[in-house]
Amino acid sequence: NAGVMQNPRHLVRRRGQEARLRCSPMKGHSHVYWYRQLPEEGLKFMVYLQKENIIDESGMPKERFSAEFPKEGPSILRIQQVVRGDSAAYFCASSPTGGSGNTIYFGEGSWLTVV
Amino acid sequence: GENVEQHPSTLSVQEGDSAVIKCTYSDSASNYFPWYKQELGKRPQLIIDIRSNVGEKKDQRIAVTLNKTAKHFSLHITETQPEDSAVYFCAASITGNQFYFGTGTSLTVIP
Repeated sequence: NAGVMQNPRHLVRRRGQEARLRCSPMKGHSHVYWYRQLPEEGLKFMVYLQKENIIDESGMPKERFSAEFPKEGPSILRIQQVVRGDSAAYFCASSPTGGSGNTIYFGEGSWLTVV
Repeated sequence: GENVEQHPSTLSVQEGDSAVIKCTYSDSASNYFPWYKQELGKRPQLIIDIRSNVGEKKDQRIAVTLNKTAKHFSLHITETQPEDSAVYFCAASITGNQFYFGTGTSLTVIP
């Protein structure tokens, strides 16, 4: 049973370019979460999605960041017009259900470097 | 929102000794507390978790305790081994859909 799959694992973008990070949840999981990890820091919640729905985006920056989880295909975290401060590891997680006591499982992460 | 604090930020122990990492949380509504281990450049891996209706849980050399009154929970690793060296994160969740993480403890086990 494959785990949460993320790609690309490493991405380098110049300032002003767009970054697209993809996440395929574990088989049987319909809930997807994106977290950001800055160097030497913990994980910060960004967004929670189910198929075709954004459930909670309270952790997403108001501008340049968007996420989707279409009916078919992986979840995508999109960062437009990247800046140096966007350099971080972006982790996707998935779970079979949502709600209280829910356990989430992380993918291997996508490391974004903005030069 | 919830605020999770984690201590210490770094911890070095001799192989075979015990390691203890402590976390506090602010929102008494938090009811689920997982611990993750992250090796350098790798994904966070769930190693143990505890729910608010339980005071202690153990899995081989790893145990977690929860004090709801004081709003703190701790990770205990006994008989530490070099492969236990990693960064450990605690987390708290109310809804199960958003997790609040501590800032991590870098554990080094010295052979």
